[in-house]
Amino acid sequence: GEDVEQSLFLSVREGDSSVINCTYTDSSSTYLYWYKQEPGAGLQLLTYIFSNMDMKQDQRLTVLLNKKDKHLSLRIADTQTGDSAIYFCAESKGAGSYQLTFGKGTKLSVIP
Amino acid sequence: DADVTQTPRNRITKTGKRIMLECSQTKGHDRMYWYRQDPGLGLRLIYYSFDVKDINKGEISDGYSVSRQAQAKFSLSLESAIPNQTALYFCATSAGGGETQYFGPGTRLLVL
Repeated sequence: GEDVEQSLFLSVREGDSSVINCTYTDSSSTYLYWYKQEPGAGLQLLTYIFSNMDMKQDQRLTVLLNKKDKHLSLRIADTQTGDSAIYFCAESKGAGSYQLTFGKGTKLSVIP
Repeated sequence: DADVTQTPRNRITKTGKRIMLECSQTKGHDRMYWYRQDPGLGLRLIYYSFDVKDINKGEISDGYSVSRQAQAKFSLSLESAIPNQTALYFCATSAGGGETQYFGPGTRLLVL
C-alpha cells in the first residue's frame, strides 16, 4: 500500500473549520509535514510536527498526531477563500534521512 | 528575493530534444533535490545531492541526469525528452538530514 495516504478532495464553507487527514505506514517516521500548494505555485511549508508531540498549534492551524494509529490531521480554523489550495502531507525518517515521502495531496475548495 | 529559484518557469520542447532545468538557492544549504509532480500522484524524488561531490538517484531517475555545479546550483537534464516527462518539476533544499525541505516555484515542462 501507499506510504502516505490522503483523501483527494475536501469542500468547506467560508468561516467553517477544515480538517485534512493523513495516514502513514512507517512507524519510524520522526518528522511529519504539511505543505500548501496554491494554483500555479510551488510548495509552501505550512507547519511540521515531531513524532514525540501530540499537537502543535500555530495561529489558525492545529496539527494533531496520533502515533499509535499513524494518523496526522491539519485543522484550519475560520477557513478563508485564500486557503483554497492543495495540501500535502509528508513524512521524513529523521536525522540522516534524505527523503520526504509525500501523499498525493488534498484539494481544499472553500465555498464563499 | 526568493531563496530557491528555478529557470525556466515554463518550457515547451519536442520529443528527442535535450533540455536543462536549473535551480539556484541562497539559503546556504548543502542538500538539494529534484522532484517531479504529476496530477494525482504527489511528488516523486528524481535525484538528490548531499554536497557538490555527492549525487544520488531517487525513486524515478531513469531518463534524467543532474549536475551539482556549486553548493548553490543543481541542474536537471533530460537527455532525450519524451512526452511522459511532461510534468511539473520542483527543486528543493535542506540544511541536512531530517531537516525541513524548502521548495522552488517549479518548472512546468511540456514535451510534445
